[in-house]
Amino acid sequence: NAGVTQTPKFQVLKTGQSMTLQCAQDMNHNSMYWYRQDPGMGLRLIYYSASEGTTDKGEVPNGYNVSRLNKREFSLRLESAAPSQTSVYFCASSADRGRIYYGYTFGSGTRLTVV
Amino acid sequence: TQLLEQSPQFLSIQEGENLTVYCNSSSVFSSLQWYRQEPGEGPVLLVTVVTGGEVKKLKRLTFQFGDARKDSSLHITAAQPGDTGLYLCAGLSIYNQGGKLIFGQGTELSVKP
Repeated sequence: NAGVTQTPKFQVLKTGQSMTLQCAQDMNHNSMYWYRQDPGMGLRLIYYSASEGTTDKGEVPNGYNVSRLNKREFSLRLESAAPSQTSVYFCASSADRGRIYYGYTFGSGTRLTVV
Repeated sequence: TQLLEQSPQFLSIQEGENLTVYCNSSSVFSSLQWYRQEPGEGPVLLVTVVTGGEVKKLKRLTFQFGDARKDSSLHITAAQPGDTGLYLCAGLSIYNQGGKLIFGQGTELSVKP
């Protein structure tokens, strides 16, 4: 019962480098989300996927791309990292819309530093 | 754009004291959730409130959803050091856009022995 698994846990990038953050869930959830967390700003939605095969922009999508590879996996890609993308990134999943009562299950996060 | 404003942003109290955290918006939400986050971990769901005026209790924690479903509060009675953490409120839009939640900025609670 792993829940939501994120890799890597820590990463340091140089400005301009690219990388992909991986996320997988084993709860058969339809919806998956990527958030970033910065001090004093709570969690801000980057992209989300309401179901396999669909993705939509959230509040702060610029500089990011996503892929919903299958029902289990939802990856986040930074094509050309910038210092402003230094943050803690969280992946989350939830059951169908009608069951939002049960909330999101979050991964343990990826701490990314761009120098 | 729907926003959730949490207050206070930081709270440092002594063990045994009571406290209240507020979550306010000018928008109506179909439901509101409270999460608790510990350092190095993701947020964990504490409670979901759905009905205006609803009150839920979880041991020493009491959660209330405003009558108009625009605000919520979290009250902790006799706080303990184990309550230390970041508390986040999150609202689900009445339009339920893909089930995405809108999060408040968080309240950093520190309970000293």
